[in-house]
Amino acid sequence: AQTVTQSQPEMSVQEAETVTLSCTYDTSESDYYLFWYKQPPSRQMILVIRQEAYKQQNATENRFSVNFQKAAKSFSLKISDSQLGDAAMYFCAYRSPHSGNTPLVFGKGTRLSVIA
Amino acid sequence: ETGVTQSPTHLIKTRGQQVTLRCSSQSGHNTVSWYQQALGQGPQFIFQYYREEENGRGNFPPRFSGLQFPNYSSELNVNALELDDSALYLCASSLDWTGGSKTQYFGPGTRLLVL
Repeated sequence: AQTVTQSQPEMSVQEAETVTLSCTYDTSESDYYLFWYKQPPSRQMILVIRQEAYKQQNATENRFSVNFQKAAKSFSLKISDSQLGDAAMYFCAYRSPHSGNTPLVFGKGTRLSVIA
Repeated sequence: ETGVTQSPTHLIKTRGQQVTLRCSSQSGHNTVSWYQQALGQGPQFIFQYYREEENGRGNFPPRFSGLQFPNYSSELNVNALELDDSALYLCASSLDWTGGSKTQYFGPGTRLLVL
């Protein structure tokens, strides 16, 4: 079974600075999908960024980018120019590419605080 | 906005009661998954429905059951509520097909409190 580990329960960053959230995963599959979701106090789980394992190029969405290291099974999220609205819980998640029973497997999350 | 809606937003029940939570999927999506998120934890998979049939289940007892309707909306039913069922229940929809993006979009959740 796949597992996802987020080793940083809490992180903080100054406004306008850059922060990196760590995520490692364990799988025997060669193809899969990785996601970062943001969950603000409003509770809604919002997709931040998605990476397909077969793509070597790291995904980027505006101020958010990932460092995907397939051999190391590492998938970190970098937030540049941090804003107060970035404060939230961030979850790393894995999903198998196969059809059928393929739920998201989540890490325990990292709580990000942004300091003005 | 993801286009996924859930109702109700909050619910208070007593131990032993039954509860039904509802989810409306994003238009065009054929798969709905339900997750339970305890306070301070990541979401845990309950089950998944694809084209009205359950095609995956996590480590939850049979008193957790569900339905998916022809319009791909869904219900989560929990019988004989226990105190530990208090959690945020998240619904997520996706368009699942071989080679698809596998991206799940979440609703705002239902907060259930069991007293």
